Amino acid sequence: KAGVTQTPRYLIKTRGQQVTLSCSPISGHRSVSWYQQTPGQGLQFLFEYFSETQRNKGNFPGRFSGRQFSNSRSEMNVSTLELGDSALYLCASSLDRVGEQFFGPGTRLTVL
Amino acid sequence: GQSLEQPSEVTAVEGAIVQINCTYQTSGFYGLSWYQQHDGGAPTFLSYNALDGLEETGRFSSFLSRSDSYGYLLLQELQMKDSASYFCAVRDSSYKLIFGSGTRLLVRP
Repeated sequence: KAGVTQTPRYLIKTRGQQVTLSCSPISGHRSVSWYQQTPGQGLQFLFEYFSETQRNKGNFPGRFSGRQFSNSRSEMNVSTLELGDSALYLCASSLDRVGEQFFGPGTRLTVL
Repeated sequence: GQSLEQPSEVTAVEGAIVQINCTYQTSGFYGLSWYQQHDGGAPTFLSYNALDGLEETGRFSSFLSRSDSYGYLLLQELQMKDSASYFCAVRDSSYKLIFGSGTRLLVRP
């Protein structure tokens, strides 16, 4: 069974640009969560999608948004990038909303 | 607010036993999980406790006391490859998974 995949793996953008990251969950998994991880920090929860609906949102500005498609694949978008958005963005999928989460390798975003 | 507290760093020697503690304060509780993350890698699931007591999985064990809002991860027969960051996480009343800031474990030969 294939694991969680994320594309792209690395991304370099400049301030003010926008970016879209993609996540394909494990087949059959309906819940997808996104996290931001900065050096020395824990995982900061961004949002959770289940059955194409956003079920939870973390404490991030409205520049961060996401969506989930009918095949459970998910995208997150960050508009008007700031230097502080440089981080590893991790996607995790689970069978349901309470199950064990399986993480993808992450997308490392650098904002210059 | 919601918070999970765990030590920032722990050092131990190969072959020893180490315990990483986690105390939590969350709105609602649907279980305590532990994840391991090597440098440059993704977090991987280690264990889950929904009820009080000890869960054992090979060299790793995890304990939970809901009345004390406390849990720990016990690593036995430490190996060099166990050097990594370990995160505790609690699922709150909205099913959101809240992570601690992580404990960096360094295993010395």
